[in-house]
Amino acid sequence: AQRVTQPEKLLSVFKGAPVELKCNYSYSGSPELFWYVQYSRQRLQLLLRHISRESIKGFTADLNKGETSFHLKKPFAQEEDSAMYYCAPPAGGTSYGKLTFGQGTILTVHP
Amino acid sequence: DGGITQSPKYLFRKEGQNVTLSCEQNLNHDAMYWYRQDPGQGLRLIYYSQIVNDFQKGDIAEGYSVSREKKESFPLTVTSAQKNPTAFYLCASSATSGGSYGYTFGSGTRLTVV
Repeated sequence: AQRVTQPEKLLSVFKGAPVELKCNYSYSGSPELFWYVQYSRQRLQLLLRHISRESIKGFTADLNKGETSFHLKKPFAQEEDSAMYYCAPPAGGTSYGKLTFGQGTILTVHP
Repeated sequence: DGGITQSPKYLFRKEGQNVTLSCEQNLNHDAMYWYRQDPGQGLRLIYYSQIVNDFQKGDIAEGYSVSREKKESFPLTVTSAQKNPTAFYLCASSATSGGSYGYTFGSGTRLTVV
């Protein structure tokens, strides 16, 4: 089955500490993955996509085909990073429909 | 500004009533989706539509219905058959033709059964 999983529902770190939000996938074909973020009282928004290989708000994510993972990392967490994070397959194209989001990870960054 | 508009922001429903949540987009996206967000359960897909006049059930379609008469609009009706309708509902859209696309989300509707 094609699936995206996030093993951690909750993750707490202190400000300035490194943070890694885990995402694993089981896919047939070439995997394409995204990270979305939902800050308090804001709409869910795209954070980054693996194709662009961008660094957004200090976050990066590398697709590791050997480990079938797409973990989200930031070397120094900030309090404003506290949010819900979702890992997800692409919408539309060849992977639309029932491919759904990971379960989400709530990140709390303590002062 | 291009985007997705969901209305209303808050909705209260009496038990046994049907209610309809509105979702409109002006992004010219072909595909639209409805998700339900519950604490501790992430996002669960209710229905999706890739083209006008066509839609498919997601993982939790029971007790819900949709229509897609216009490209811009994808309303969701929560029927009295939905056993636990109190939740936060998110509408999304995406392009579909070629390439790999992300979702654009609305700001959500919080439905409460009273």
